Amino acid sequence: NAGVTQTPKFQVLKTGQSMTLQCAQDMNHEYMSWYRQDPGMGLRLIHYSVGAGITDQGEVPNGYNVSRSTTEDFPLRLLSAAPSQTSVYFCASSYTLQGSDTQYFGPGTRLTVL
Amino acid sequence: GQNIDQPTEMTATEGAIVQINCTYQTSGFNGLFWYQQHAGEAPTFLSYNVLDGLEEKGRFSSFLSRSKGYSYLLLKELQMKDSASYLCAVLLPYNFNKFYFGSGTKLNVKP
Repeated sequence: NAGVTQTPKFQVLKTGQSMTLQCAQDMNHEYMSWYRQDPGMGLRLIHYSVGAGITDQGEVPNGYNVSRSTTEDFPLRLLSAAPSQTSVYFCASSYTLQGSDTQYFGPGTRLTVL
Repeated sequence: GQNIDQPTEMTATEGAIVQINCTYQTSGFNGLFWYQQHAGEAPTFLSYNVLDGLEEKGRFSSFLSRSKGYSYLLLKELQMKDSASYLCAVLLPYNFNKFYFGSGTKLNVKP
């Protein structure tokens, strides 16, 4: 089991560019989510999905799009990058997010927008 | 809105005991989680509480009081490798369950 994988590990973009952060899991988890982590602000939920074809917004969804066409993959798209989107992005997955079912986090993508 | 408060930073000595507090005011509650995050790494699960009381897991214990909106993580016999950030997160019931995280507490363990 590779667990939760994210690519790329590092990325530098110019303002206005678009890109997709990839996230995949091989644990057959239904629940997947994207967070961003900024200094002093903890983890903030961007978007999440409870299964293929079902997504919902988190706290900070503006400027990001997601889709979930398969159980394994949950890509995050930045439509037009802005310096405010400079952050570390974590993808996480869990079976159901019920009870004590915890989330497993990927290694993160460090994004810089110039 | 949701609010979770944790101290920003704490320092403790190797071999000692440290308690990291977390207070929350949220619209709903489906459980409280503690995660550990070493610098430059992903968070990893430490503990879960949904009922009042203490949950013990080796050197780590976590306590919850739902009426007070309060939890703490207790780390015993501190080791240098316990230097990390500790994140408190509440599971919120909305359309679907989702997490809300506090800002985290950076713990420095000194020799």
